[in-house]
Formats: sequence, C-alpha cells, structure tokens
Amino acid sequence: NAGVTQTPKFQVLKTGQSMTLQCAQDMNHEYMSWYRQDPGMGLRLIHYSVGAGITDQGEVPNGYNVSRSTTEDFPLRLLSAAPSQTSVYFCASSYSLENSPLHFGNGTRLTVT
Amino acid sequence: AQTVTQSQPEMSVQEAETVTLSCTYDTSESDYYLFWYKQPPSRQMILVIRQEAYKQQNATENRFSVNFQKAAKSFSLKISDSQLGDAAMYFCAYRSPYSGGGADGLTFGKGTHLIIQP
Repeated sequence: NAGVTQTPKFQVLKTGQSMTLQCAQDMNHEYMSWYRQDPGMGLRLIHYSVGAGITDQGEVPNGYNVSRSTTEDFPLRLLSAAPSQTSVYFCASSYSLENSPLHFGNGTRLTVT
Repeated sequence: AQTVTQSQPEMSVQEAETVTLSCTYDTSESDYYLFWYKQPPSRQMILVIRQEAYKQQNATENRFSVNFQKAAKSFSLKISDSQLGDAAMYFCAYRSPYSGGGADGLTFGKGTHLIIQP
C-alpha cells in the first residue's frame, strides 16, 4: 500500500516553462487536493476534487490547472511558470470531505528562476 | 469562512518536559472536525491526532493529547515527555462537513515550530 505518491521530489524551472506534478493514490479515496506551502503562510489550497470528473478551485488557483480523469490520479499543471510559484507543493487525499484525515504525499520542492 | 489561529510561531521545550501548543478557531458550525498535523524536517505531513466536535472526551494518542474546549473554540495539543523526534512544525486544521465557494472545508493554521532542547 503506497498511499499518496507524488513526483518529482524536486524541480527547477525557468520562467515561462510548463510542467506537470504527478499525484497518485491507491486507497480508493474520492477526495484529492493540491496545496502549496510557503514560509509563514501555512498550507493554501490550489485545487481540489471530490471525485473523478469533478474539480474545483481553491484559494490560490491562478496559474494552475488540474484534471481528474480517474479516481487514482490528480495531476497539477503549471501552464507558464513564474517565480511566484516557487514553493513546496503537496498532494493529499482522503476518503471523504468530512471526518477523514488527509493523507499527504511527500511534497515537491519547485524553484522557478 | 472559518479561520484557524496558532498564536505561537515558535515554542521551545526541554527534552522529557511537557509542552502545550495552542490553536483557536472561528466558526458558526456545530459539527466539525479538528486535526493536528506534524511536519518534521523531512517535510512529510503526519497526522498526530483528531477530534470530532460532537465528542466531549478529549482525544489521546500515546504521549499526545488535546484539550478541546468547544465553547471557547480552542483545541490545544499537549505533548508529554517530549522527545527529540518531536521537533517539527505542528499545524492545527479545521474541517467543515461542507465545501464549495473556493474552499474544500479544510482550513490550516500557519503552524508552530517546536524546538526540543536536549
């Protein structure tokens, strides 16, 4: 049981480049989400999904796209990287939106130069 | 929208001592869930403990316990017999059973950095 698998662990991009952060879970969780973590800011929600085919924006969605074609996968796409997107990104999943705790991936440290 | 406040950006405690991390939240909901997550230097987010608002009994997990005061909207984490491995960022989180409007019902505090002095 791998839990939440997030790749890559580290990435350096140049301004304007695009890339996709991968996230997969093998727990049959309906709910998946992407957060970014910046110093002194805690975790801020980028996008989330309550099931395959359903996505919604979070607090800081600009510059990011997501899709949920399967229950297992929830990739995060950076369309045109900007230095302001330098951050640590976490994918998370849970059984439901209610009392289930989040299971987190190990994070991706992204640097945009 | 709910807010979660962790008023202590940093706390320091001697090894083997007890430390309490504070968390307050603002909500008009009666049913909700509260969590404490630990983030060690490895960056991994680890669930420490959770509490359902409808339960009056405080949750306990080994050396970790909470003091849940629903009327005061307070959810503090007590760590007994602190160990070096407890050094980490600790995040308090509130989970509403409702979502939508740009939020998934989950709100995190900004974290408390816990230092363990040997």
